[in-house]
Amino acid sequence: QVQLVQSGAEVKKPGASVKVSCKTSGYTFTSYYIHWVRQAPGQGLEWMGMINPSGGSTSYAQEFQGRVTMTRDTSTSTVYMELSSLISEDTAVYYCGRVLPGWYGAFDFWGQGTMLTVSS
Amino acid sequence: DIQMTQSPSSLSASVGDRVTITCRASQSISSYLNWYQQKPGKAPKLLIDAASSLQSGVPSRFSGDGSGTDFTLTISSLRPEDFATYYCQQGYNFPYTFGQGTKLEIK
Repeated sequence: QVQLVQSGAEVKKPGASVKVSCKTSGYTFTSYYIHWVRQAPGQGLEWMGMINPSGGSTSYAQEFQGRVTMTRDTSTSTVYMELSSLISEDTAVYYCGRVLPGWYGAFDFWGQGTMLTVSS
Repeated sequence: DIQMTQSPSSLSASVGDRVTITCRASQSISSYLNWYQQKPGKAPKLLIDAASSLQSGVPSRFSGDGSGTDFTLTISSLRPEDFATYYCQQGYNFPYTFGQGTKLEIK
């Protein structure tokens, strides 16, 4: 069965970096893009960017350009999202989600979420 | 960026009611519109993609309609497990964008 399993909760200080993992299984890793979406407490969903596991190409939301890096490890079918220069407003739950290329951009499977708290 | 506007932001209804949530895109997105249900502390769940295609395992009381800029999600007869927050999302181009959400509460 398809699974996306994310790394555990993180607490970071302002200015630090965080790297969240999303380990996939149950499907061909290179056949689906992985996107990252975050949700601040009590707020809506915000798209951060995506990676194509096949070649490693990425596309990031303008808001995160220069601060976010998405990478993948094909040997372990894992995608990583690193966010740097953290501020308190980055406190949120971060989700990875799977999207079939060319199919309406729908997230058909999601990770369980990783809570990031940024606090001094 | 394409703006997605949902209405209403919140909705109070009773079990058995028929409810409709609307989603409007700031430009045409053809049928590149997806609907999600989210319950507290959980990841969103895909209900409908391509504006009207029901995901496997999703009850038939859920339906989606629309194309271009105007879309609807309808729940024909509310059940207790349907009380949640619903989001629309456009997959037409990057950056993908979501509506602000509609919180469906029990009356």
